[in-house]
Amino acid sequence: KQEVTQIPAALSVPEGENLVLNCSFTDSAIYNLQWFRQDPGKGLTSLLLIQSSQREQTSGRLNASLDKSSGRSTLYIAASQPGDSATYLCAVRQADSWGKLQFGAGTQVVVTP
Amino acid sequence: KAGVTQTPRYLIKTRGQQVTLSCSPISGHRSVSWYQQTPGQGLQFLFEYFSETQRNKGNFPGRFSGRQFSNSRSEMNVSTLELGDSALYLCASSLRGGVTDTQYFGPGTRLTVL
Repeated sequence: KQEVTQIPAALSVPEGENLVLNCSFTDSAIYNLQWFRQDPGKGLTSLLLIQSSQREQTSGRLNASLDKSSGRSTLYIAASQPGDSATYLCAVRQADSWGKLQFGAGTQVVVTP
Repeated sequence: KAGVTQTPRYLIKTRGQQVTLSCSPISGHRSVSWYQQTPGQGLQFLFEYFSETQRNKGNFPGRFSGRQFSNSRSEMNVSTLELGDSALYLCASSLRGGVTDTQYFGPGTRLTVL
């Protein structure tokens, strides 16, 4: 059974510092991994999707890496800003999983001015 | 292009009642998935619909049901509400629901059961 874990559960950094968020999964037979952002009481915003054949994806200040064999993904956010404060969730897709994402519990990030 | 919309945004019900939530996917998307988010359990998959057929289902009791219409809009129904059903219900749409598709989420419906 797939388990997705995100550590730490919460993180506080001063503005300008780089953020490093971790996601681990127990079953490496995944098709892709997706990173989301969630603001309080709101829906999810997709940040990056990494296919299992890829090692890395980049979008602006965001960079996500994937190491399937070790069951890990890392989301890097460069030069953090107060507007980056949110909960970040990772989710994996597996075979025979129509429409189903399996989520980690998320990392709550606070960027202080 | 308009995003995923969910109605209503907030609902307050009492135990034993039933509730229907609605989700309109992004135009052209034919797959709709539903999730329940609670502080204790996090985000859990309820079910997925494609072309009016349920293709996948999570581990929820039969009180949770759904359907999809020919225009891809979807509804989920919860009967005999319990206190533990209080949650944020999110729907997500994608082109076909396949493993390479990106899912786009709506803002959610906040259900409170008293």
